[in-house]
Amino acid sequence: GESVGLHLPTLSVQEGDNSIINCAYSNSASDYFIWYKQESGKGPQFIIDIRSNMDKRQGQRVTVLLNKTVKHLSLQIAATQPGDSAVYFCAENTGNQFYFGTGTSLTVIP
Amino acid sequence: KAGVTQTPRYLIKTRGQQVTLSCSPISGHRSVSWYQQTPGQGLQFLFEYFSETQRNKGNFPGRFSGRQFSNSRSEMNVSTLELGDSALYLCASSLLSGAGELFFGEGSRLTVL
Repeated sequence: GESVGLHLPTLSVQEGDNSIINCAYSNSASDYFIWYKQESGKGPQFIIDIRSNMDKRQGQRVTVLLNKTVKHLSLQIAATQPGDSAVYFCAENTGNQFYFGTGTSLTVIP
Repeated sequence: KAGVTQTPRYLIKTRGQQVTLSCSPISGHRSVSWYQQTPGQGLQFLFEYFSETQRNKGNFPGRFSGRQFSNSRSEMNVSTLELGDSALYLCASSLLSGAGELFFGEGSRLTVL
């Protein structure tokens, strides 16, 4: 089966610093990736996506980088704020189904 | 437009009972997927429905079933509940089957006593 893993289960950063959350995926055929944010008691919220024909995509304060050579995905959050504290998931899609990792818990220290 | 709506948000059942959860997708979305989320686990895929047909199924026992109606609303049912079925059940909708942006509801928190 598929496996989507996160390098670090927890991450703590100072408010205002940049955060980097990493994700490894296993299927080289995966062609679409999404990052989700899940706050306590809520459903996952779409943050940003990227297709396999791209290496980088930027949103508001977030950047996703895709390295297909090593099957690695990262989410960068600029100027991390307390409201960014949540669990972040990456998901990969092979065109048929999504596979999710267990998530990285980000804590922002004021 | 309205997001994905799941009901009920919270429910408590006892072992052996059954439960039905409901999901209304975003208007225009014909694909509805269900996931189980437990502490320490990722989102475990249950099944996906598109245009009233089950397109994909995860590795869950037959006690877990679902269906989709002509208006794209979906229900999932769990029969003969076990303690291990306690989880957050998430519904997600998308325009395409098995691909494209996936939008989640807030989930139904099931506790089995």
